[in-house]
Amino acid sequence: AQSVTQPDIHITVSEGASLELRCNYSYGATPYLFWYVQSPGQGLQLLLKYFSGDTLVQGIKGFEAEFKRSQSSFNLRKPSVHWSDAAEYFCAVGSNTNAGKSTFGDGTTLTVKP
Amino acid sequence: NAGVTQTPKFQVLKTGQSMTLQCAQDMNHNSMYWYRQDPGMGLRLIYYSASEGTTDKGEVPNGYNVSRLNKREFSLRLESAAPSQTSVYFCASSEAHRGGEQYFGPGTRLTVT
Repeated sequence: AQSVTQPDIHITVSEGASLELRCNYSYGATPYLFWYVQSPGQGLQLLLKYFSGDTLVQGIKGFEAEFKRSQSSFNLRKPSVHWSDAAEYFCAVGSNTNAGKSTFGDGTTLTVKP
Repeated sequence: NAGVTQTPKFQVLKTGQSMTLQCAQDMNHNSMYWYRQDPGMGLRLIYYSASEGTTDKGEVPNGYNVSRLNKREFSLRLESAAPSQTSVYFCASSEAHRGGEQYFGPGTRLTVT
């Protein structure tokens, strides 16, 4: 069965500092991996995705993530955080079978200090 | 394109009342999903539908029913609401062949008193 772990429930960074949010997954084959962002009071929006190929993927809003098969990780990074990045971030592992169901992590809440 | 739309945005029910949450997508996706989101518990899948006319239970289906009315619409019904169903409900859609990349609606905030 597939699973996703986001070890950090809450992270606080200063505006302009770099950010790394951790994600570990468990999946039998090559995974489909996603990061979503949820701003307060809104639905989830796709930030970036990994299907295959280059292990460093670029997303919207200046985010990137690196797939490391040996560590079963898909960590999200941003070199310089903006106050508007404060949100909840979800990592997910998907599938192209079984109706495309995804398994989501419990989320990491990012607070940005001025 | 509107993407995924949900109605209503907010709802307050008394215990025992019933209601239907509506969801529609205009992306021609085959798969649709209903999730609930509670503080500290992430997203939990209630029901999903792989195609028009099919539905399947997710992690937390008790107390809910669904209808995949057509390819666009997927509704969630609470027959007899309970305080434990106070939550934020999200509908999503995807194409399975794209690895389950999901598009979410804005959510319905439901309070059961």
